[in-house]
Amino acid sequence: NAGVTQTPKFQVLKTGQSMTLQCAQDMNHEYMSWYRQDPGMGLRLIHYSVGAGITDQGEVPNGYNVSRSTTEDFPLRLLSAAPSQTSVYFCASSFNRGGNTIYFGEGSWLTVV
Amino acid sequence: AQRVTQPEKLLSVFKGAPVELKCNYSYSGSPELFWYVQYSRQRLQLLLRHISRESIKGFTADLNKGETSFHLKKPFAQEEDSAMYYCALVTKGGSNYKLTFGKGTLLTVNP
Repeated sequence: NAGVTQTPKFQVLKTGQSMTLQCAQDMNHEYMSWYRQDPGMGLRLIHYSVGAGITDQGEVPNGYNVSRSTTEDFPLRLLSAAPSQTSVYFCASSFNRGGNTIYFGEGSWLTVV
Repeated sequence: AQRVTQPEKLLSVFKGAPVELKCNYSYSGSPELFWYVQYSRQRLQLLLRHISRESIKGFTADLNKGETSFHLKKPFAQEEDSAMYYCALVTKGGSNYKLTFGKGTLLTVNP
């Protein structure tokens, strides 16, 4: 299986543009999440989902939307990009129970100019 | 609320020296702790989990509930250990499962 797949890997946006970061996993994981990684800030949780049709906010949800219509996919939407959203974004998935490994995608480098 | 603290942003050691990356947590329930590693421009990958009590790439970590710590140790550092290391805490609220990361420690092993 492919694990966790994120696209695109690199993207440059203009302020005010919208875009969607795609995340897919083929491991039948219930739990999926999006993080942003910024220097000195570590990994911060944006949104997460514990199953199809269920999403919840993480630590830094403002400016982002998510949906979970299928188990496999968990897209992250930037509604109106701002320079503060310049970051590296990671999608992650796991089974929704403790003790399980969390698998990460390769990351998406987003620059908002 | 749960919290993970990695007090050192940067840690630099020489090859062959012992290394310890500190991690402290706060959580009122029973913690599940992990160490993740991220090599340059790669995805995060699991290094250790406390329930397995395993040694991976020479690294070990012991959960100390009294000190609420889960420090990562290696007796002899190698240059290929240079990476960003994240300590992570898994907590459960109802049926939900939440992963909280520390801010990470960048380890540099000098030749």
